[in-house]
Amino acid sequence: GAGVSQSPSNKVTEKGKDVELRCDPISGHTALYWYRQRLGQGLEFLIYFQGNSAPDKSGLPSDRFSAERTGESVSTLTIQRTQQEDSAVYLCASSTTSWADTQYFGPGTRLTVL
Amino acid sequence: KQEVTQIPAALSVPEGENLVLNCSFTDSAIYNLQWFRQDPGKGLTSLLLIQSSQREQTSGRLNASLDKSSGRSTLYIAASQPGDSATYLCAVPHGSGNTGKLIFGQGTTLQVKP
Repeated sequence: GAGVSQSPSNKVTEKGKDVELRCDPISGHTALYWYRQRLGQGLEFLIYFQGNSAPDKSGLPSDRFSAERTGESVSTLTIQRTQQEDSAVYLCASSTTSWADTQYFGPGTRLTVL
Repeated sequence: KQEVTQIPAALSVPEGENLVLNCSFTDSAIYNLQWFRQDPGKGLTSLLLIQSSQREQTSGRLNASLDKSSGRSTLYIAASQPGDSATYLCAVPHGSGNTGKLIFGQGTTLQVKP
Protein backbone atom coordinates (compact mmCIF):
# COMPACT_ATOMS: atom_id res chain seq x y z
CA GLY A 1 0.00 0.00 0.00
CA ALA A 2 0.92 3.66 -0.17
CA GLY A 3 3.41 4.88 2.36
CA VAL A 4 3.81 8.28 3.97
CA SER A 5 4.17 11.00 1.37
CA GLN A 6 5.54 14.51 1.77
CA SER A 7 5.54 17.56 -0.43
CA PRO A 8 7.39 19.36 -1.72
CA SER A 9 10.47 17.16 -1.82
CA ASN A 10 12.67 20.24 -1.99
CA LYS A 11 11.99 23.83 -1.03
CA VAL A 12 14.30 26.78 -1.42
CA THR A 13 13.17 30.02 0.16
CA GLU A 14 14.53 33.37 1.16
CA LYS A 15 15.14 34.36 4.73
CA GLY A 16 12.03 35.92 6.24
CA LYS A 17 9.53 34.10 4.04
CA ASP A 18 6.90 31.69 5.35
CA VAL A 19 6.85 28.07 4.19
CA GLU A 20 4.32 25.24 4.42
CA LEU A 21 5.30 21.60 4.34
CA ARG A 22 2.74 18.89 3.79
CA CYS A 23 2.49 15.32 5.03
CA ASP A 24 0.04 12.62 3.96
CA PRO A 25 0.14 9.74 6.45
CA ILE A 26 -0.62 6.12 5.74
CA SER A 27 -4.38 5.69 5.48
CA GLY A 28 -5.89 4.66 8.80
CA HIS A 29 -2.93 5.75 10.90
CA THR A 30 -4.14 7.90 13.76
CA ALA A 31 -0.73 9.03 15.02
CA LEU A 32 1.45 11.48 13.11
CA TYR A 33 4.86 12.93 13.93
CA TRP A 34 7.17 15.62 12.60
CA TYR A 35 10.95 15.52 13.00
CA ARG A 36 13.80 17.71 11.80
CA GLN A 37 17.24 16.55 10.70
CA ARG A 38 19.85 19.24 10.30
CA LEU A 39 23.00 18.53 8.35
CA GLY A 40 25.38 16.38 10.38
CA GLN A 41 23.00 16.18 13.31
CA GLY A 42 20.57 13.64 14.65
CA LEU A 43 16.81 13.67 14.32
CA GLU A 44 14.94 16.14 16.51
CA PHE A 45 11.33 15.57 17.49
CA LEU A 46 9.05 18.51 16.70
CA ILE A 47 5.40 17.58 17.27
CA TYR A 48 3.08 14.57 17.72
CA PHE A 49 -0.61 14.26 16.85
CA GLN A 50 -2.67 11.37 18.21
CA GLY A 51 -6.27 11.18 17.15
CA ASN A 52 -8.34 14.01 18.60
CA SER A 53 -6.04 14.56 21.57
CA ALA A 54 -4.18 17.81 22.04
CA PRO A 55 -0.89 17.57 20.13
CA ASP A 56 2.43 17.24 21.92
CA LYS A 57 4.21 20.38 20.81
CA SER A 58 7.13 20.05 23.18
CA GLY A 59 9.70 19.80 20.40
CA LEU A 60 8.82 22.93 18.46
CA PRO A 61 11.93 25.14 18.64
CA SER A 62 10.18 28.50 18.58
CA ASP A 63 6.81 30.15 18.09
CA ARG A 64 7.65 30.55 14.41
CA PHE A 65 6.87 26.86 14.04
CA SER A 66 3.32 25.54 14.03
CA ALA A 67 1.55 22.47 12.74
CA GLU A 68 -2.00 21.43 12.07
CA ARG A 69 -3.74 18.21 11.33
CA THR A 70 -7.30 17.78 10.16
CA GLY A 71 -8.78 14.67 11.71
CA GLU A 72 -6.68 11.67 10.84
CA SER A 73 -5.49 12.94 7.51
CA VAL A 74 -3.11 15.50 6.13
CA SER A 75 -0.82 17.57 8.31
CA THR A 76 0.94 20.81 7.49
CA LEU A 77 4.00 22.20 9.21
CA THR A 78 4.33 25.96 8.87
CA ILE A 79 7.50 27.92 9.50
CA GLN A 80 7.05 31.66 9.63
CA ARG A 81 9.79 34.20 8.98
CA THR A 82 12.28 31.50 8.08
CA GLN A 83 15.87 31.76 9.27
CA GLN A 84 18.97 30.12 7.86
CA GLU A 85 19.16 27.80 10.85
CA ASP A 86 15.79 26.36 9.79
CA SER A 87 17.54 24.71 6.83
CA ALA A 88 17.11 20.98 7.35
CA VAL A 89 15.28 17.91 6.16
CA TYR A 90 11.82 17.78 7.69
CA LEU A 91 10.56 14.25 8.14
CA CYS A 92 7.03 13.14 8.80
CA ALA A 93 6.05 9.75 10.21
CA SER A 94 2.82 7.98 11.07
CA SER A 95 1.89 4.96 13.15
CA THR A 96 -1.19 2.84 13.63
CA THR A 97 -2.53 4.11 16.91
CA SER A 98 0.10 5.65 19.14
CA TRP A 99 3.71 6.28 20.05
CA ALA A 100 4.05 2.62 21.08
CA ASP A 101 3.75 1.43 17.50
CA THR A 102 6.30 1.29 14.71
CA GLN A 103 6.73 4.68 13.07
CA TYR A 104 6.74 4.75 9.27
CA PHE A 105 8.62 7.67 7.76
CA GLY A 106 8.11 9.68 4.62
CA PRO A 107 10.98 10.69 2.30
CA GLY A 108 11.26 14.14 3.82
CA THR A 109 11.25 17.72 2.59
CA ARG A 110 14.63 19.35 2.19
CA LEU A 111 14.30 23.00 3.15
CA THR A 112 17.02 25.47 2.23
CA VAL A 113 16.80 29.01 3.52
CA LEU A 114 19.04 31.43 1.65
CA LYS B 1 17.44 12.78 30.63
CA GLN B 2 17.53 9.94 28.12
CA GLU B 3 20.57 9.87 25.87
CA VAL B 4 21.17 7.38 23.08
CA THR B 5 24.65 6.62 21.81
CA GLN B 6 25.70 4.53 18.86
CA ILE B 7 29.13 3.06 18.34
CA PRO B 8 30.90 3.01 15.98
CA ALA B 9 29.97 6.16 14.06
CA ALA B 10 31.16 4.55 10.84
CA LEU B 11 32.04 1.06 9.75
CA SER B 12 33.44 -0.38 6.53
CA VAL B 13 33.45 -4.11 5.94
CA PRO B 14 33.94 -6.47 3.00
CA GLU B 15 30.92 -8.18 1.56
CA GLY B 16 29.90 -11.37 3.34
CA GLU B 17 31.10 -10.37 6.77
CA ASN B 18 28.87 -10.63 9.81
CA LEU B 19 28.76 -7.44 11.84
CA VAL B 20 27.33 -5.91 15.00
CA LEU B 21 26.11 -2.36 15.53
CA ASN B 22 25.79 -1.08 19.07
CA CYS B 23 23.27 1.19 20.72
CA SER B 24 23.29 2.27 24.36
CA PHE B 25 20.79 4.31 26.34
CA THR B 26 21.14 5.97 29.73
CA ASP B 27 17.64 5.41 31.15
CA SER B 28 16.75 1.72 31.22
CA ALA B 29 13.03 2.41 31.78
CA ILE B 30 12.19 2.19 28.10
CA TYR B 31 8.95 0.97 26.60
CA ASN B 32 10.50 -0.27 23.38
CA LEU B 33 13.45 0.27 21.05
CA GLN B 34 13.42 0.65 17.31
CA TRP B 35 16.13 0.20 14.71
CA PHE B 36 15.87 2.17 11.49
CA ARG B 37 17.81 2.36 8.27
CA GLN B 38 18.35 5.62 6.39
CA ASP B 39 19.61 5.73 2.83
CA PRO B 40 21.26 8.94 1.59
CA GLY B 41 18.71 11.60 0.75
CA LYS B 42 15.82 9.46 1.87
CA GLY B 43 13.60 8.96 4.88
CA LEU B 44 13.87 6.27 7.51
CA THR B 45 12.83 2.67 7.08
CA SER B 46 11.82 0.77 10.18
CA LEU B 47 13.77 -2.46 10.53
CA LEU B 48 12.83 -3.92 13.90
CA LEU B 49 10.90 -2.89 16.99
CA ILE B 50 11.67 -4.67 20.25
CA GLN B 51 9.25 -4.36 23.12
CA SER B 52 10.75 -3.95 26.59
CA SER B 53 9.55 -7.43 27.51
CA GLN B 54 11.42 -9.01 24.61
CA ARG B 55 15.07 -9.90 24.39
CA GLU B 56 15.39 -10.11 20.63
CA GLN B 57 13.68 -9.76 17.29
CA THR B 58 14.65 -11.23 13.96
CA SER B 59 13.88 -10.26 10.40
CA GLY B 60 15.73 -12.07 7.65
CA ARG B 61 19.46 -11.47 8.06
CA LEU B 62 18.86 -8.97 10.86
CA ASN B 63 18.72 -9.78 14.54
CA ALA B 64 18.26 -7.14 17.22
CA SER B 65 18.79 -7.85 20.89
CA LEU B 66 17.81 -5.81 23.91
CA ASP B 67 19.29 -5.82 27.40
CA LYS B 68 17.37 -3.23 29.39
CA SER B 69 19.30 -3.70 32.59
CA SER B 70 22.57 -2.79 30.95
CA GLY B 71 21.04 -0.17 28.68
CA ARG B 72 22.17 -1.82 25.47
CA SER B 73 20.87 -3.06 22.17
CA THR B 74 22.74 -4.63 19.30
CA LEU B 75 21.84 -5.06 15.66
CA TYR B 76 23.45 -8.09 14.10
CA ILE B 77 23.66 -8.25 10.31
CA ALA B 78 24.56 -11.62 8.87
CA ALA B 79 26.35 -12.11 5.57
CA SER B 80 26.47 -8.42 4.76
CA GLN B 81 25.79 -7.24 1.20
CA PRO B 82 26.60 -3.98 -0.62
CA GLY B 83 22.87 -3.18 -0.50
CA ASP B 84 23.12 -3.03 3.29
CA SER B 85 25.19 0.15 2.98
CA ALA B 86 23.25 2.87 4.80
CA THR B 87 23.08 4.69 8.11
CA TYR B 88 21.52 2.67 10.92
CA LEU B 89 19.72 4.48 13.72
CA CYS B 90 18.32 3.27 17.00
CA ALA B 91 15.64 5.15 18.91
CA VAL B 92 13.67 4.91 22.16
CA PRO B 93 10.53 6.75 23.29
CA HIS B 94 11.14 9.72 25.52
CA GLY B 95 10.62 9.13 29.22
CA SER B 96 8.01 6.56 30.20
CA GLY B 97 6.28 6.89 26.90
CA ASN B 98 2.87 8.37 26.14
CA THR B 99 4.58 10.79 23.82
CA GLY B 100 5.48 10.70 20.18
CA LYS B 101 8.96 11.86 20.93
CA LEU B 102 11.60 9.36 19.92
CA ILE B 103 15.16 9.92 21.10
CA PHE B 104 17.55 8.93 18.33
CA GLY B 105 21.18 7.98 18.38
CA GLN B 106 23.55 9.71 15.96
CA GLY B 107 23.67 6.60 13.80
CA THR B 108 26.26 4.21 12.44
CA THR B 109 27.12 4.67 8.76
CA LEU B 110 27.84 1.29 7.24
CA GLN B 111 29.67 0.68 4.01
CA VAL B 112 29.80 -2.85 2.63
CA LYS B 113 32.40 -3.19 -0.07
CA PRO B 114 31.91 -5.67 -2.92
